[in-house]
Amino acid sequence: AQSVSQHNHHVILSEAASLELGCNYSYGGTVNLFWYVQYPGQHLQLLLKYFSGDPLVKGIKGFEAEFIKSKFSFNLRKPSVQWSDTAEYFCAVTSNSGYALNFGKGTSLLVTP
Amino acid sequence: KAGVTQTPRYLIKTRGQQVTLSCSPISGHRSVSWYQQTPGQGLQFLFEYFSETQRNKGNFPGRFSGRQFSNSRSEMNVSTLELGDSALYLCASSTIQGSYEQYFGPGTRLTVT
Repeated sequence: AQSVSQHNHHVILSEAASLELGCNYSYGGTVNLFWYVQYPGQHLQLLLKYFSGDPLVKGIKGFEAEFIKSKFSFNLRKPSVQWSDTAEYFCAVTSNSGYALNFGKGTSLLVTP
Repeated sequence: KAGVTQTPRYLIKTRGQQVTLSCSPISGHRSVSWYQQTPGQGLQFLFEYFSETQRNKGNFPGRFSGRQFSNSRSEMNVSTLELGDSALYLCASSTIQGSYEQYFGPGTRLTVT
């Protein structure tokens, strides 16, 4: 069955620390990969996406993600987090022939001053 | 450009009743998808509409239904509400048939008592 796994459910970091959130998927065929963020009280926003081409993609607010096809992974990274990065982060996958985003369970990130 | 709008934002219903939620996509977007977000199950795909046709449906009972109008606005209906239907219902719109990036609305918070 198609699935998306996010390894860390809760992450606590101090400001300026580096961030890496893991995401693995189980899908056959070509996929489109996304990271969405949900800030407290706000709606889901797209951080970055990968459809094809360069496996290292850059998104908004200094985030980037690397698609490693052999590992079925799409990990999210940020070199230095800020307090304002406190949010819930969701990895999502859709196949090229599909119409539905399949989300991971999410990772709650708390950045302390 | 105005974002995805959803009405109402909050709703309280009694078990056994039915409810209709509304979604207006971003202007020019013809694909509308619906998701249910709960603390236990996370974000789950309900269904997707494109040009007034349901293109895909998630694993939800028949009590959950939807439709799309010629102006791309969409409604979803839940009949015979159960306590477990309490959730945040999110609508997302896309320029293509849901396979590409989706833009989410703020959601409708449904509480079933």
